[in-house]
Amino acid sequence: LAKTTQPISMDSYEGQEVNITCSHNNIATNDYITWYQQFPSQGPRFIIQGYKTKVTNEVASLFIPADRKSSTLSLPRVSLSDTAVYYCLVSRMDTGRRALTFGSGTRLQVQP
Amino acid sequence: NAGVTQTPKFRVLKTGQSMTLLCAQDMNHEYMYWYRQDPGMGLRLIHYSVGEGTTAKGEVPDGYNVSRLKKQNFLLGLESAAPSQTSVYFCASLWRLAGGSSYEQYFGPGTRLTVT
Repeated sequence: LAKTTQPISMDSYEGQEVNITCSHNNIATNDYITWYQQFPSQGPRFIIQGYKTKVTNEVASLFIPADRKSSTLSLPRVSLSDTAVYYCLVSRMDTGRRALTFGSGTRLQVQP
Repeated sequence: NAGVTQTPKFRVLKTGQSMTLLCAQDMNHEYMYWYRQDPGMGLRLIHYSVGEGTTAKGEVPDGYNVSRLKKQNFLLGLESAAPSQTSVYFCASLWRLAGGSSYEQYFGPGTRLTVT
């Protein structure tokens, strides 16, 4: 499984755009990049997943450069309720253990 | 559609006691997982199952056993609880896009276990 590196913590203010970058230098051809959000005392929640270029949904955007060695989760106009831990995962499901490995995540604190 | 549910939500055990955590999903997912999360840490995979009747070890399987007798249920057992097993336990099930490698994993609300 590809190892991921992301900042331990980030601070922002309400209404700002937040970009969290994840490095995954040894990503494999069939790997997908997935981001999860976790609030205190809750299980992680799927946010977005992508393979290359850009993916957007109602919650966030995911930018993946051509070499796929990194990815950036973009949260537009954050609010206090976006304060959470964000995990970047890289894995493929067609071979291997079909299991996901979580790193330590990025703790985002949104201030009023 | 309840998604992934876990029973119980909280439990306090004494060292050496045993217990079973139940995970149930009503989404007909093939894959199910048990993770533990210690304070301030990410999730670590304990055991997982890729189908009814099959289980496999994850990163931290020692001290735990699992069973998947029915597709919708995944049980995690602690035969002799130790204080080091104090943690929050999350169950998850996974939907995989047929024929592809993309997937989406759904998590339960967690079970907070304290071993004294």
